[in-house]
Amino acid sequence: NAGVTQTPKFQVLKTGQSMTLQCAQDMNHEYMSWYRQDPGMGLRLIHYSVGAGITDQGEVPNGYNVSRSTTEDFPLRLLSAAPSQTSVYFCASSPRRGGSISNQPQHFGDGTRLSIL
Amino acid sequence: SQQGEEDPQALSIQEGENATMNCSYKTSINNLQWYRQNSGRGLVHLILIRSNEREKHSGRLRVTLDTSKKSSSLLITASRAADTASYFCATVQGGSEKLVFGKGTKLTVNP
Repeated sequence: NAGVTQTPKFQVLKTGQSMTLQCAQDMNHEYMSWYRQDPGMGLRLIHYSVGAGITDQGEVPNGYNVSRSTTEDFPLRLLSAAPSQTSVYFCASSPRRGGSISNQPQHFGDGTRLSIL
Repeated sequence: SQQGEEDPQALSIQEGENATMNCSYKTSINNLQWYRQNSGRGLVHLILIRSNEREKHSGRLRVTLDTSKKSSSLLITASRAADTASYFCATVQGGSEKLVFGKGTKLTVNP
């Protein structure tokens, strides 16, 4: 199993450009999520999904869109990139047991490092 | 808002010493998780402690949970240079599907 795969690993954008960060998992996990990590801020939840066709907002959803058309994939879209979105983005996945992720360890990808000029 | 807050923000120790990191959280929880992040990598799950547990061990890791104080601690015994990493606590906000992380403790173990 490859686990959680994020592409690309690095990207530089200009302000106003759009981009899709890819996330794929091969563990048949129901739950997937996106975080951003900034220095001194820890990880902040952007969006999450509890299954195909279902998404919801996290702590910092503004400026980001997501969709979940398959169990395996959970892309994150930046429609009009801003310098404030310069960050490291992490995707994670886990099973859900009894309709909850509460007792489930999350599996993380290695991140996408995004710079917006 | 972030649920967990780790303390200290940074910790530097010598190889062989013990390292203790603390986490405080705000609302009721079902369990608390600890993760490790090596530089430039994704997070790796270390240990999960349930709300009805007070202490849990895994190898050189010892985690405690005090629900009355809304706090947890992670102890790494006999530390090694390879333990150098950032450590994060995480909790699921009650009734939600949102896993919220603290800001982390950066541990440096000097050879």
